This record gives sequence, C-alpha cells and structure tokens, in this order.
Amino acid sequence: AQTVTQSQPEMSVQEAETVTLSCTYDTSENNYYLFWYKQPPSRQMILVIRQEAYKQQNATENRFSVNFQKAAKSFSLKISDSQLGDTAMYFCAWGETSGSRLTFGEGTQLTVNP
Amino acid sequence: GAGVSQSPSNKVTEKGKDVELRCDPISGHTALYWYRQSLGQGLEFLIYFQGNSAPDKSGLPSDRFSAERTGGSVSTLTIQRTQQEDSAVYLCASSYDSWTSEYFGPGTRLTVL
Repeated sequence: AQTVTQSQPEMSVQEAETVTLSCTYDTSENNYYLFWYKQPPSRQMILVIRQEAYKQQNATENRFSVNFQKAAKSFSLKISDSQLGDTAMYFCAWGETSGSRLTFGEGTQLTVNP
Repeated sequence: GAGVSQSPSNKVTEKGKDVELRCDPISGHTALYWYRQSLGQGLEFLIYFQGNSAPDKSGLPSDRFSAERTGGSVSTLTIQRTQQEDSAVYLCASSYDSWTSEYFGPGTRLTVL
C-alpha cells in the first residue's frame, strides 16, 4: 500500500520570504503522479501543482515549484515570495496512473506572517 | 457549472438517522471521487466512479455507507444509522478522466449528535 508522509505539522514564514514543505512517499509503482493541494480555511481544496513521475524536470507554477527526487521518494514544495493568501493547510498526495484514488499525507499548516 | 458543487454545506443530524450528501461534478468529467476528512486529518478515500465501470468501493468504512452516481453525473453518498464517529467533512472531487487532476468541491460538514 502507498503511504505519504508530511513530517512538518506546522510551519511559518515571513511575507516575501521562501519556504519549503517536505513530503516523502512509499510506493512500489514506477509510474505515478504526485500533487500538492492547498486547503485554506474556506475548506476548498485547490490544486497547486502536479508532477508526473516519468518526467525528470521539476514542475513549476509561478511562485510554486517542486523538488522531485524519485530515487529518494521525496517531493518537496517551494513557495517563493510568500504572500498572506498562501496561509493554508498544504497536502501532498500520490496518485496511480490508472486513476482510482489519491493517497494524502496528514498535511502541513503554513502560516504567512506580515 | 464552473466547479464541483456539494450540498448541503453543513448537516447536523442525530445518531441513528440516515443522511444523504450530494455532489454535482464539473460538466464533462467522467471520474468522480468521495473522500472523508476528519478533524485535523488528511483525506481518506471512500469510493470512485469512472464512466460506466463498476465503482471502486474499497474505501467505504462499513456497510452503512453507500454511494450511487446517476446518469454518469450527479452522485449521492448515503450514510445509514449515523454514528458520532461519522462526523467529518465529506469531500467530492471530479476529473476529466482517470489520468487527469482531481478538482474538489467545497465539502459537506456532517455533525452527528
């Protein structure tokens, strides 16, 4: 069974600074997807970024980028120029290529301070 | 619609009652998922529908839980004889197909007294 681990329950960062959220996973699959989702207090889960395991190039979306280390089974999220609106719970998730479900980590609560 | 919608937004019920939670996926999305999020926890997979295929029910925690999807669109999650441990936020997600990203609804917060 797949597992996803986020070892940082809470993190904080000053506005405009950079922060990195950690995620490790365990799987025997060779092809899969990895995701970061953001859940603000509104409860809405918002897709932040997605990485296909077969791609060596790290995904980027504006201020968000990942460091995908397939051999180490590590998938960290870097947020640059942090903004107050980035305050949210961040979930790392693993998905199999045949679909069916996502396996989520326990989440990291990120607070951006002014 | 523009996104996944769920109703009701909040539901308070008494122990032992049945509840129905509704999900309207994004138009054209063939895959639909239900997850449960207990307080302060990550998301737990419940059930998955893909087109006309038999649903993957492997995440349903007990036979009190069931779900159906009518016409390949709207889905209803039913919890019979609710228990206090069923209190959680129930999230629905849809995707264009099994290989594309899931988009989530705002969830239904269920409270069982």
